[in-house]
Amino acid sequence: AIRMTQSPSSLSASTGDRVTITCRASQGISSYLAWYQQKPGKAPKLLIYAASTLQSGVPSRFSGSGSGTDFTLTISCLQSEDFATYYCQQYYSYPPYSFGQGTKLEIK
Amino acid sequence: VQLLESGGGLVQPGGSLRLSCAASGFTFSSYAMSWVRQAPGKGLEWIGSIYYSGSTYYNPSLKSRVTISVDTSKNQFSLKLSSVTAADTAVYYCARDDYGGFDIWGQGTMVTVSS
Repeated sequence: AIRMTQSPSSLSASTGDRVTITCRASQGISSYLAWYQQKPGKAPKLLIYAASTLQSGVPSRFSGSGSGTDFTLTISCLQSEDFATYYCQQYYSYPPYSFGQGTKLEIK
Repeated sequence: VQLLESGGGLVQPGGSLRLSCAASGFTFSSYAMSWVRQAPGKGLEWIGSIYYSGSTYYNPSLKSRVTISVDTSKNQFSLKLSSVTAADTAVYYCARDDYGGFDIWGQGTMVTVSS
């Protein structure tokens, strides 16, 4: 199984900041990577797929990059509604699909 | 476009949980459908997926206990997890697999395994 490792596990930032979350795969997954945002008590929301393609309706301040084993999610100018937990997920090889452990983005 | 889970609640240890997910607003046959769960305070865990053809893929860690089935006439698919323990306590989500991530999610249903 492919293991996905996110860093950091938690992050404190202020509105207006630029933040980057990293996701590393235990083996190459090409660009078969998705990013999700999850708020407390809610289902995850797909933000990015194919490592860098923005899902319809997602604000352009979100961006993704990377291929192979190393990926990043960047939020260019944090808004209050962006404080949430973020997960990466590989869909290159399954079963199983695998998720990162999550990165909790908190208000500083 | 919507997914709606049902069937959560309290399940006895050693018993089985059965959940359903009703899909509306899209053509069921164009997608794979999946179950994902989240234990309290934990991350996301993929349980398994089913294709319109009926082909299934399961997480190897759960494979011996999981059955996912589809009722195409009702645009609905189901999850059965047997021999449950407290470790199976979680919010269970159904999700649409757009072959590029899970793009539509249900609201989630809580399952608690306890006597």
